[in-house]
Amino acid sequence: GEDVEQSLFLSVREGDSSVINCTYTDSSSTYLYWYKQEPGAGLQLLTYIFSNMDMKQDQRLTVLLNKKDKHLSLRIADTQTGDSAIYFCAESYSGNTGKLIFGQGTTLQVKP
Amino acid sequence: NAGVTQTPKFRVLKTGQSMTLLCAQDMNHEYMYWYRQDPGMGLRLIHYSVGEGTTAKGEVPDGYNVSRLKKQNFLLGLESAAPSQTSVYFCASMDGGVNTEAFFGQGTRLTVV
Repeated sequence: GEDVEQSLFLSVREGDSSVINCTYTDSSSTYLYWYKQEPGAGLQLLTYIFSNMDMKQDQRLTVLLNKKDKHLSLRIADTQTGDSAIYFCAESYSGNTGKLIFGQGTTLQVKP
Repeated sequence: NAGVTQTPKFRVLKTGQSMTLLCAQDMNHEYMYWYRQDPGMGLRLIHYSVGEGTTAKGEVPDGYNVSRLKKQNFLLGLESAAPSQTSVYFCASMDGGVNTEAFFGQGTRLTVV
């Protein structure tokens, strides 16, 4: 079945770049997403990428997609303490139901 | 802008008790979802609905029931709570299917003792 895998923890220094990685299994996924969860809050969509794209950039965020290896990454440039959160990678189930398959989430710790 | 509102925010239940979690959205979205979040496991889909009066099973539906009598509300019921249902529950809604943003509620932290 479909599966999404992420590493659980990443620690960086303020001002450095952060790279969060994700692998997925469903090659038919149309869209892949990055969500952010701050402590005690729900998930908020950060960005998404269409499966026929290799890269998407949005201000400090860069998403890279390698369809051959089924690998997705999120790069945060100039990481700030406010970026500390859990980041979830998600892919859409095949079919038009909007169901999402989430990875385990990567906790990003930003040290001053 | 209320968005997606979940009630209650916290609840402690005894094993065997029942309860209903309410999700309300004011965005006129067709699609609604219930997920549970457990440490190290991300979010897993319990049930979902693609329109008023329709429901379907997700990845982990056992022990839960849902209803979507009104378009804006999606109820999640636990008939006989078990400690394994201790989790944080999130409701989400979407305007359509693929390529639309899912909006999440703030979550309900449920503890079953």
